[in-house]
Amino acid sequence: AQTVTQSQPEMSVQEAETVTLSCTYDTSENNYYLFWYKQPPSRQMILVIRQEAYKQQNATENRFSVNFQKAAKSFSLKISDSQLGDTAMYFCAFMKYNNNDMRFGAGTRLTVKP
Amino acid sequence: EPEVTQTPSHQVTQMGQEVILRCVPISNHLYFYWYRQILGQKVEFLVSFYNNEISEKSEIFDDQFSVERPDGSNFTLKIRSTKLEDSAMYFCASRLTGTGVHEQYFGPGTRLTVT
Repeated sequence: AQTVTQSQPEMSVQEAETVTLSCTYDTSENNYYLFWYKQPPSRQMILVIRQEAYKQQNATENRFSVNFQKAAKSFSLKISDSQLGDTAMYFCAFMKYNNNDMRFGAGTRLTVKP
Repeated sequence: EPEVTQTPSHQVTQMGQEVILRCVPISNHLYFYWYRQILGQKVEFLVSFYNNEISEKSEIFDDQFSVERPDGSNFTLKIRSTKLEDSAMYFCASRLTGTGVHEQYFGPGTRLTVT
């Protein structure tokens, strides 16, 4: 079974600085997808960024980028120029290529301080 | 921009009662999902639905749960006899099948409180 581990329950960062959230996963699959979702206090789940395992290039979406290390089964999220609106729970998620269920990590609560 | 909607936003029910949580997926999406998040815990997969049948379900999705797509737009989760431990946020999600598009779009959730 696939497991997703987020080892940082809580993190904080000063506004405008950079923070990195860690995620590791366990799988025997070769093809899969990885995602970072953001859950603000409203509890809506918002997709931040996704990565296809067959792509070597790290995904980037504006201030958000990932460091995908397939051999190490690591998928960290870097948030640059942190903003107050980035304060939220961040969930790392894994989905097999030909499967439908998404497995989530336990989440990291990020607080951006002014 | 199209979005997944869910109703109600908050449902309070007594233990043993049946509840139906409703979702309207994005109109051209073909895969539908339900997830559960107990307060303070991780989001957990319940079930996926495609072509009018369950394609996968987790161990959480036991006989008290059922899903249905009664018409072309709604996707429902029914809990037959609620228990206190069913109190959670329930998220519906949908996905457009096809090459290269695999992320799931989540609705805002329904908070279920069982008393």
